[in-house]
Amino acid sequence: GQNIDQPTEMTATEGAIVQINCTYQTSGFNGLFWYQQHAGEAPTFLSYNVLDGLEEKGRFSSFLSRSKGYSYLLLKELQMKDSASYLCAVMDSNYQLIWGAGTKLIIKP
Amino acid sequence: SQTIHQWPATLVQPVGSPLSLECTVEGTSNPNLYWYRQAAGRGLQLLFYSVGIGQISSEVPQNLSASRPQDRQFILSSKKLLLSDSGFYLCAWSVRDTGELFFGEGSRLTVL
Repeated sequence: GQNIDQPTEMTATEGAIVQINCTYQTSGFNGLFWYQQHAGEAPTFLSYNVLDGLEEKGRFSSFLSRSKGYSYLLLKELQMKDSASYLCAVMDSNYQLIWGAGTKLIIKP
Repeated sequence: SQTIHQWPATLVQPVGSPLSLECTVEGTSNPNLYWYRQAAGRGLQLLFYSVGIGQISSEVPQNLSASRPQDRQFILSSKKLLLSDSGFYLCAWSVRDTGELFFGEGSRLTVL
């Protein structure tokens, strides 16, 4: 079966760095996505990786290793507004998105 | 620019009552359209997707149905709601064969 694993919850301090991991087992691979979802709101797109390596976008970076079935989202200089759930999703061989359950990130002052 | 709207935002329905959630997309043509459900603390569950007018694929057999009467309109329906239908329903669109989804505001359904 297809499976996406990510931690349920993480806690970090304002101004610090946090890394959210995602491992996957899917039927084929056509890219990995990270979305941010604030409580009670719809998810919004953060990043897309299809090749191995690091993609940087401001305070957020996303890394992919296809051979290991592994990705992480790195958030730097954490702000209180970064408190949200972070969803990992993989596009399989049928171009369907397989979603992880999300990681709830709690930022403390 | 493209926009997506869904409504209603919140609804409380009794068990056995019907349901209709509507979603419209503006500023793009021939999008892929999706209905997802998100239960509390759970991941996104794909319910239906559509690649064109009248073309609906169902991912999870249940008492829900979807229709796409126009290119940019997607409707989620039920004839008789169950308690287990409670959740946060999200409509989304994408350009074909790309994974970047653009979500509507969401509709929170509580079935009592």
